[in-house]
Amino acid sequence: DVKVTQSSRYLVKRTGEKVFLECVQDMDHENMFWYRQDPGLGLRLIYFSYDVKMKEKGDIPEGYSVSREKKERFSLILESASTNQTSMYLCATVDRSIVHGYTFGSGTRLTVV
Amino acid sequence: AQSVTQLGSHVSVSEGALVLLRCNYSSSVPPYLFWYVQYPNQGLQLLLKYTTGATLVKGINGFEAEFKKSETSFHLTKPSAHMSDAAEYFCAVSEGKTSYDKVIFGPGTSLSVIP
Repeated sequence: DVKVTQSSRYLVKRTGEKVFLECVQDMDHENMFWYRQDPGLGLRLIYFSYDVKMKEKGDIPEGYSVSREKKERFSLILESASTNQTSMYLCATVDRSIVHGYTFGSGTRLTVV
Repeated sequence: AQSVTQLGSHVSVSEGALVLLRCNYSSSVPPYLFWYVQYPNQGLQLLLKYTTGATLVKGINGFEAEFKKSETSFHLTKPSAHMSDAAEYFCAVSEGKTSYDKVIFGPGTSLSVIP
């Protein structure tokens, strides 16, 4: 089975800090995604990447950036954390065909104080 | 733009009763459809999917869903609820033209099972 590992389950950061959320997958999947999940809003796509060093904006990229230097690792960066970025962050991966559906990591619950 | 609607943000059923979680989507092309389940403080797990072929699909843990193109629906059912089914359920749709086509998620339905 594909494993998607997010480095932290819970994270507390201060307003203005630069925050790195890491996601690593142990299969050779091309595509990786970062979502944030908020009550009543479902999952919203922040960024995705379909190849090393490639990135595409999702629906809510403002305040975020990403890095994909290696195929297995996709990092989400909060340049200057704000309280409205308090959320659950989910990383997902999928191979070349969407037919198998996404595989998600366990999530990182980020609190910005 | 595609959208996914899940009727009822919270559903309660008694243990042993039928579970019915509703999902409707807007898509002008035959979509790929998914149901995911999320247990507390965990990521999402694929429950079942419809891509092509038989419109009634079976998933894990006794769940199934039926794709009805005329109604643009993909409702999730389980004949008899178990306490362990209490979780958040998300319906999702993708046009599936490319492997990185966006998957649109519904807002989720929280299922409670009453003993």
